[in-house]
Amino acid sequence: GEDVEQSLFLSVREGDSSVINCTYTDSSSTYLYWYKQEPGAGLQLLTYIFSNMDMKQDQRLTVLLNKKDKHLSLRIADTQTGDSAIYFCAEEYAGGGNKLTFGTGTQLKVEL
Amino acid sequence: DTAVSQTPKYLVTQMGNDKSIKCEQNLGHDTMYWYKQDSKKFLKIMFSYNNKELIINETVPNRFSPKSPDKAHLNLHINSLELGDSAVYFCASSPQAFGTSPYNEQFFGPGTRLTVL
Repeated sequence: GEDVEQSLFLSVREGDSSVINCTYTDSSSTYLYWYKQEPGAGLQLLTYIFSNMDMKQDQRLTVLLNKKDKHLSLRIADTQTGDSAIYFCAEEYAGGGNKLTFGTGTQLKVEL
Repeated sequence: DTAVSQTPKYLVTQMGNDKSIKCEQNLGHDTMYWYKQDSKKFLKIMFSYNNKELIINETVPNRFSPKSPDKAHLNLHINSLELGDSAVYFCASSPQAFGTSPYNEQFFGPGTRLTVL
């Protein structure tokens, strides 16, 4: 199956940490990605993780991968109002012709 | 200096019409894609071209026909438009050619909002 699931909404206060979760189904995924979509715009790559890694840190972003449970998370430290957007996880298959399967998207709202 | 551009940004048309959406990338990428994003923000790939050759063709009605005149352009033509075609269509490109490397950052255009009345 190619279902990649995310919770629909997340609301946090400015300055708090946000954790966005994703579950995927294909254990042969090679890379997993997090993309951000701001209103009225296309998607932008935030970060990615190779499937043999457990964790990747990139400034305010921390990606955790639990391959056994097929669970991916994105933690945003010190969340700012500019982080309000829709966040998509995506998985890429080995030999899949660079095909990405995107998750259902999580709308992050940052409140003052 | 727009990387991936699409025209038009908005398209409103009647059922049954034929329309095209154009996409151009100036990044020198080998691979281009079309995605459809529905009203619930669900994003699904439709097509992928690598250097003008069709690589991915998902289950899409044959009313949708992509055309790649060169590797910098991937246009989407839609015949006999239906209400269910209303969505935002995104073009994207990536530098990796098919099979060379799994790491693949895709660069997205701003989207074309298609409304079929």
